[in-house]
Amino acid sequence: QSALTQPRSVSGSPGQSVTISCTGTSSDVGGYDYVSWYQQHPGKAPKVLIYDVNKRPSGVPDRFSGSKSGNTASLTISGLQAEDEADYHCCSYAGSYTHWVFGGGTKLTVL
Amino acid sequence: QVQLQQWGAGLLRPSETLSLTCAVYGGSFTGYFWTWIRQPPGKGLEWIGEIWHGGRTNSNPSLKSRVTISVDPSKKQFSMTLTSVTAADTAVYYCVRGQFLREYWGQGNLVTVSS
Repeated sequence: QSALTQPRSVSGSPGQSVTISCTGTSSDVGGYDYVSWYQQHPGKAPKVLIYDVNKRPSGVPDRFSGSKSGNTASLTISGLQAEDEADYHCCSYAGSYTHWVFGGGTKLTVL
Repeated sequence: QVQLQQWGAGLLRPSETLSLTCAVYGGSFTGYFWTWIRQPPGKGLEWIGEIWHGGRTNSNPSLKSRVTISVDPSKKQFSMTLTSVTAADTAVYYCVRGQFLREYWGQGNLVTVSS
């Protein structure tokens, strides 16, 4: 059982937008602005898309955006492309004892 | 270009000790946290722990009694050991640079625990 809750799957058609949620508590997502998102293609290492809730590392397209409201963080992918089909993982800082927690991952299918 | 290359035993018996090492090529070794993350087959990611280049560590409370993370800045390497492994420790293990921004990842090592 992962500490953060993500939908197991989402889907969308090319060109559409999809949003993946990541729900935690006031002890993690709601308590700190340190949420990150990772994209993982089958058999590959994860790749960071978003850090500190809404910052994009260089090289990540602005089609990927992050936000947070209360205890729920969200990753929005606009202008869906076939290559966006992958697993997406969220992660949050959870304080000086637990440190870091992940969600269970969401499989995105591009129809 | 920063690259992380990791290695270690891929098949262990229950109760044995898992040992992995990660070498960093390119970029600076100082000024970063170096992290271990694992992923059981078909499941999500789990943070194992991290170490500052100077040696300060943080570990997952659920693994803390079994995990040790160490660093050798002179070799630009960091390592982890996990004692008393069970089948539940079967996973792909990744070494990663960073803490808030985990930008560079190793290739991953599948570690299988089986009798």
